Amino acid sequence: DIQLTQSPSFLSASVGDRVTITCRASQDISVYLAWYQQKPQTAPKLLVFAASTLQSGVPSRFSAYGSGTEFTLTINSLQPEDFATYYCQQLKSHSLITFGQGTRLDIK
Amino acid sequence: QVQLVESGGGVVQPGGSLRLSCEASGFAFGSFGMHWVRQAPGKGLEWLAFIQYDGDKKYEAVSVKGRFTISRDNSENTLFLQMSDLRPEDTATYYCAKESGPGIGVAGPFDHWGQGTLVTVTS
Repeated sequence: DIQLTQSPSFLSASVGDRVTITCRASQDISVYLAWYQQKPQTAPKLLVFAASTLQSGVPSRFSAYGSGTEFTLTINSLQPEDFATYYCQQLKSHSLITFGQGTRLDIK
Repeated sequence: QVQLVESGGGVVQPGGSLRLSCEASGFAFGSFGMHWVRQAPGKGLEWLAFIQYDGDKKYEAVSVKGRFTISRDNSENTLFLQMSDLRPEDTATYYCAKESGPGIGVAGPFDHWGQGTLVTVTS
C-alpha cells in the first residue's frame, strides 16, 4: 500500500493568514495526487488534481505543488469559508487508492 | 448538473447485509469510472471500491475484499455496493463518487460526490 502522511494534523490560523499543508507519500507517485476540502456534515469537494492543477471554480488563493513523494497545499489570505478539513489522495493505481489522514484547519 | 444520490443505508446487526445504491443524473453515467468511499464517525476518508465505466474492471480495498462487491447498471444510471458480513467497524457514512474519466489507465480525481448514506452496524 502507498501511505500518505499529512502534516500537521491540526492547524489553527486567523483570517488573512497564509497556511501550508504537507502530504508525504511512502513511495514515488509522480503527480498522481489530488486535494479535497471537507466541511462538517458535507461531502468532500475536489480542489486540486494532478498535484498542482486547480479544479474549475476553486479560488486562486489556493495553490498546490509537488511531485514524487512530497506535496504541498497552500492557502493565501485565509477566508472564513476555508476553515475545514483537507485531505490528500493518491491516484497512482485504481486498485490502491489512498487518502491522507486529514488536516483540520480551525479558526484561531 | 451532476447529481449523485445514495440510498440504502440504515441500522443492521453484525453479520448482516445491506445493498447501497447511488442514482446518477446530469452526466453520461456509462462513460465514467465510479467509486465508493466511506467515513467512520469523526474519522478520515477510506477508499473502498472502484468500477470501470463498462463494469469490466473492479477493485476493492483489502479491508472489505470478499465482503463488499461493487457493481453498476448503466441502463439504470445506478451504482451499487453489496455489503455482507457487516461488522461494527463498518459503521460509517458511505459516499459514491464519480471519477473524472472512464477509469482506464491512471485513476482520475473524484470530481463529484453524493451526500452520503449512513450505515450503522450494532446489536
